[in-house]
Amino acid sequence: QKEVEQNSGPLSVPEGAIASLNCTYSDRGSQSFFWYRQYSGKSPELIMFIYSNGDKEDGRFTAQLNKASQYVSLLIRDSQPSDSATYLCAVKGYGGSQGNLIFGKGTKLSVKP
Amino acid sequence: NAGVMQNPRHLVRRRGQEARLRCSPMKGHSHVYWYRQLPEEGLKFMVYLQKENIIDESGMPKERFSAEFPKEGPSILRIQQVVRGDSAAYFCASSPGVGTGVYEQYFGPGTRLTVT
Repeated sequence: QKEVEQNSGPLSVPEGAIASLNCTYSDRGSQSFFWYRQYSGKSPELIMFIYSNGDKEDGRFTAQLNKASQYVSLLIRDSQPSDSATYLCAVKGYGGSQGNLIFGKGTKLSVKP
Repeated sequence: NAGVMQNPRHLVRRRGQEARLRCSPMKGHSHVYWYRQLPEEGLKFMVYLQKENIIDESGMPKERFSAEFPKEGPSILRIQQVVRGDSAAYFCASSPGVGTGVYEQYFGPGTRLTVT
């Protein structure tokens, strides 16, 4: 059973701080990793994807991938109250299930003004 | 540049009725995925379709659920004889395609199904 694990939180950080969100996955063959943001009652919004070991930066967001440790993280710099949402880590299947994404249950982030 | 479109946004059905959920992918996308999100649960994959083909339905319940993506028109997720446990948010996502590269999936606004 392929699994993606996230700390459910809530993770509370003050405005302007760095928020660090973590995710582990069970399938060592996984190749592609995604971070989605989901506001309450809304649909998931893709914010980052990464498939090579190391860091990938996009504005205030940095995704980090370590395939040896089966670990992927998302850093949000200069956190804003508008970043308060649930962050979903997703891993793309491969082989017979190449198309679908396997999601973690999400980490709820709260940024306090 | 229209995103993924889903309708209806809210659907109320009585137990035993049929629910039909529609999804039009983003322009230029030919791959459609359906996911279900139960209250306080994570997103669960249901089915992956290309035009006129079901590629992977490993997440679809064996009974009462079916999906199609015809040559013309939107993808449809059909739930027959709905039960209260089917109440959930159903999301459709689309991508340009799959292969050895990374193909991001973009989600529609979802259909909130309530079974009374």
